[in-house]
Amino acid sequence: DAEITQSPRHKITETGRQVTLACHQTWNHNNMFWYRQDLGHGLRLIHYSYGVQDTNKGEVSDGYSVSRSNTEDLPLTLESAASSQTSVYFCASSAFSGRARNEQFFGPGTRLTVL
Amino acid sequence: AQKITQTQPGMFVQEKEAVTLDCTYDTSDPSYGLFWYKQPSSGEMIFLIYQGSYDQQNATEGRYSLNFQKARKSANLVISASQLGDSAMYFCAMREDILGGSQGNLIFGKGTKLSVKP
Repeated sequence: DAEITQSPRHKITETGRQVTLACHQTWNHNNMFWYRQDLGHGLRLIHYSYGVQDTNKGEVSDGYSVSRSNTEDLPLTLESAASSQTSVYFCASSAFSGRARNEQFFGPGTRLTVL
Repeated sequence: AQKITQTQPGMFVQEKEAVTLDCTYDTSDPSYGLFWYKQPSSGEMIFLIYQGSYDQQNATEGRYSLNFQKARKSANLVISASQLGDSAMYFCAMREDILGGSQGNLIFGKGTKLSVKP
């Protein structure tokens, strides 16, 4: 069965360190997204990609970067981790939308703590 | 202004009763989609139901239905015959099909925590 996975599931790091969160999907979806979830804020979009070599900034992109070298993977990098980046991170993917349903499928999430 | 508003931070419902979770949205896009997701305490995000702005009928998926009132810009989720397993956070989300690009990203509300009492 197709799926979307994230690793690691839990990560503790120190302020100033570079951290990379992995996301891998086997749906063969063109669209991939990274969100962060914080209490009281719902899910907020960090970065997104509509295909290989395409990346775009979302609502809360400062301090994060992504790259898309193949269809399956969209790693999220925190260049210099800050305590404000302590959060739960979700990766999602979807097929091309147009006006069809094409819901986003979410990974299980990564809980990141920055000390 | 928020694009997706969920005014109920938390709600309680008795098992086997129906419950309505409110969602209002704000967009000038003539084409958009509305989604509801469930997030149980285990943390995963589960897609429940979708309503397209041009759909003539309200969407239904099993015990879930979407009360879509386009003129009022509301897309309330109705859960019939609540079960203990329905206890979770519920998120309403919108995709703007034109303003958001043809592959439009999702804009999420802040969620409603539903607790089902036995």
